Amino acid sequence: GAGVSQSPRYKVTKRGQDVALRCDPISGHVSLYWYRQALGQGPEFLTYFNYEAQQDKSGLPNDRFSAERPEGSISTLTIQRTEQRDSAMYRCASSLVQPAGELFFGEGSRLTVL
Amino acid sequence: AQKITQTQPGMFVQEKEAVTLDCTYDTSDQSYGLFWYKQPSSGEMIFLIYQGSYDEQNATEGRYSLNFQKARKSANLVISASQLGDSAMYFCAMREGEKAAGNKLTFGGGTRVLVKP
Repeated sequence: GAGVSQSPRYKVTKRGQDVALRCDPISGHVSLYWYRQALGQGPEFLTYFNYEAQQDKSGLPNDRFSAERPEGSISTLTIQRTEQRDSAMYRCASSLVQPAGELFFGEGSRLTVL
Repeated sequence: AQKITQTQPGMFVQEKEAVTLDCTYDTSDQSYGLFWYKQPSSGEMIFLIYQGSYDEQNATEGRYSLNFQKARKSANLVISASQLGDSAMYFCAMREGEKAAGNKLTFGGGTRVLVKP
């Protein structure tokens, strides 16, 4: 597609429910990143993939968070047993691997956990 | 220690004047990259400018320039001839390590700029 596409744009869920956030990167971009942004703060790295391989998951807060990119294109970030502190904007970004240039961000998925 | 520090939480600038947004960084890597992003109230993240640690000249992109002072570990963004549309949050970010290692960025806390007519 023309840009990074994320869905859903808004998600309201009850505490304890699982949520899945989807990211479709720019065509041809093999690197895909997940970030979380709290209101009024800068994005915080969660994890990233080159093709289908998860290269770094050091930013995932705990084992309730997981991500996959099984075919090297679309990625899903899953949060199990959501908690109120998980409420944030979840942003996906993609970039070329070589040369590693700017990150192109999607519009984000705003998650609210009640 | 913070890897990226933006000490100005908010600032006003008069339309048509220049503004400098401060950014200092902390890394022990010899190879790294510095980025600036703009986030307007709509929430999108817009790439503005990039500076590589080995680049000898300061990066420029239109009205944006990056004042890179390697010894001081600072990468200030200068916006010339401010426009009302420049009102936004601005984030400084750093990639540590070689370009080939990917673009895992660490972001600062941001500076909110409001341009006055």
